[in-house]
Amino acid sequence: DGGITQSPKYLFRKEGQNVTLSCEQNLNHDAMYWYRQDPGQGLRLIYYSQIVNDFQKGDIAEGYSVSREKKESFPLTVTSAQKNPTAFYLCASTISGGSAEAFFGQGTRLTVV
Amino acid sequence: DQQVKQNSPSLSVQEGRISILNCDYTNSMFDYFLWYKKYPAEGPTFLISISSIKDKNEDGRFTVFLNKSAKHLSLHIVPSQPGDSAVYFCAARSLNTGTASKLTFGTGTRLQVTL
Repeated sequence: DGGITQSPKYLFRKEGQNVTLSCEQNLNHDAMYWYRQDPGQGLRLIYYSQIVNDFQKGDIAEGYSVSREKKESFPLTVTSAQKNPTAFYLCASTISGGSAEAFFGQGTRLTVV
Repeated sequence: DQQVKQNSPSLSVQEGRISILNCDYTNSMFDYFLWYKKYPAEGPTFLISISSIKDKNEDGRFTVFLNKSAKHLSLHIVPSQPGDSAVYFCAARSLNTGTASKLTFGTGTRLQVTL
């Protein structure tokens, strides 16, 4: 079955540590995205990538980094510079140049302890 | 600067009745609008969409209406079922984002369908 897989589902991090969230898709989609959801807020765009080896900052990129070495994979690193990292992180993908419908993974809940 | 607004954080509707979820936007460059449904601790799932060249799109129990002059869209669910209880997000795409479908999301409306 095609889809987007995010791992792990729950992640705990000590303050001051970097942590990497995994996102893999087998939908053959060109574009991939990372969103963050906080209570009472909508999804906010962190980074997105339209093609391999290329990515752009979204609305709240500070304290985050990404890479896109393979079409299927778009890992997100939450660095120690991110002031409020505790949140629900969602990865998505779309067909580039196609409809705007984004397919989402199941999310990763990151908690800083 | 909230470009997509869902002013009702929650809505309670009786089973079998109509649910109407509203969404307003400010950016006139938005050309495509979507509704997503989300359960707790899960990713959003796509529900229905509408292009800015249309004013209505229907899919089974779900209908989305777009009023461009008012910059307003609404999602109608008829009849509402208990399984529809979830958070609904309105999202919009801007014309000038190249090939990527950057979506701007509203804050969501929690729908509860009661028996």
